[in-house]
Amino acid sequence: GNSVTQMEGPVTLSEEAFLTINCTYTATGYPSLFWYVQYPGEGLQLLLKATKADDKGSNKGFEATYRKETTSFHLEKGSVQVSDSAVYFCALSDRGGSNYKLTFGKGTLLTVNP
Amino acid sequence: EAQVTQNPRYLITVTGKKLTVTCSQNMNHEYMSWYRQDPGLGLRQIYYSMNVEVTDKGDVPEGYKVSRKEKRNFPLILESPSPNQTSLYFCASRRGGQEAQYFGPGTRLLVL
Repeated sequence: GNSVTQMEGPVTLSEEAFLTINCTYTATGYPSLFWYVQYPGEGLQLLLKATKADDKGSNKGFEATYRKETTSFHLEKGSVQVSDSAVYFCALSDRGGSNYKLTFGKGTLLTVNP
Repeated sequence: EAQVTQNPRYLITVTGKKLTVTCSQNMNHEYMSWYRQDPGLGLRQIYYSMNVEVTDKGDVPEGYKVSRKEKRNFPLILESPSPNQTSLYFCASRRGGQEAQYFGPGTRLLVL
């Protein structure tokens, strides 16, 4: 079956540091890939997505590139802010059938200190 | 404002006492789902619905029921809650043909 593996947290950075959160996946077919962010006390928000190989998703300074050869979708940001502190989830969408179920990684807690 | 709403946001109950968590979306989305989030496990799908009166099981449906009588509403029913259903529950919706899902704010449930 499908699975998503993302780097264990928590990750603690200083403001303006570079961020990488690794994500690899296993899937049959050609899934779409997503990063969701969960701020404290809130639901999940879609951060960015990519639907095919070599696509780059980007939003709010975050980027991730769909790498089919390495089955990866690593999240990066060049300069993090305190307001980026949240839990980040990598996910894939199974386009088989009509469910388009999301399979999530376990989440990575990011804390950014001033 | 486009949104998915859930009620209640927090609930403490006892084993065996039936409860319903409501979910409503105002985006006219065809698809709705329920997920539970547990530490170290990420989110797992409980049930989903492709449209009114069409529902199907996700990965962890045991102990849950759903119904979809109206397009905007998708309640989650726990007829006899047990402590292992203590979790954070999220409702989500999406438009047909699109993959991005929109999540509600979550319902934190504690079953004693």
